[in-house]
Amino acid sequence: DTGVSQDPRHKITKRGQNVTFRCDPISEHNRLYWYRQTLGQGPEFLTYFQNEAQLEKSRLLSDRFSAERPKGSFSTLEIQRTEQGDSAMYLCANHPYDRGVSEQYFGPGTRLTVT
Amino acid sequence: AQSVAQPEDQVNVAEGNPLTVKCTYSVSGNPYLFWYVQYPNRGLQFLLKYITGDNLVKGSYGFEAEFNKSQTSFHLKKPSALVSDSALYFCAVSNQAGTALIFGKGTTLSVSS
Repeated sequence: DTGVSQDPRHKITKRGQNVTFRCDPISEHNRLYWYRQTLGQGPEFLTYFQNEAQLEKSRLLSDRFSAERPKGSFSTLEIQRTEQGDSAMYLCANHPYDRGVSEQYFGPGTRLTVT
Repeated sequence: AQSVAQPEDQVNVAEGNPLTVKCTYSVSGNPYLFWYVQYPNRGLQFLLKYITGDNLVKGSYGFEAEFNKSQTSFHLKKPSALVSDSALYFCAVSNQAGTALIFGKGTTLSVSS
């Protein structure tokens, strides 16, 4: 257990609906990342925050996707008007930047199925 | 652009035999290299990393990896495989601390008893 939690663990939704995922990092880690993993592929970077500032967004993050980290602690990832191609595992990761280490610690993920 | 290649989709070894999972990378500047393991329906678990220093790095569960700059490789190794090592292994790279990781497609390791 890395201490990074994600909610929900599974989400089934119908095409066109909006969904929101939450990530709760280990509180003292101040960089938070979102990745998406589809079957048979490695995780692909979506976006990351340092505290509440969103520092980088991937081209994969279409305008239907939005992420926030309002108080520099937990983060949410919202997908509007879901499409079947959005079906994937969404992973959150935390980087203990202030500890001077380089690795990211991942949560268990939220598996999204769009029907 | 940064990239990671894991040339083998699956590696099969017998318990007690040595194992190697291959990884090559492309990055501008000095690489930060990582190995992660993923068990079914679980998130990724950090195994080990290379940032600088000794080319042979040791990590969790008896795994080690060798950084080879000239071959741009970072192969994962273990002297004696266990059935419990069976999982999906990912190699990842970045060119700065704290930036996004670029992952390979993963290699499924199957250890038979």
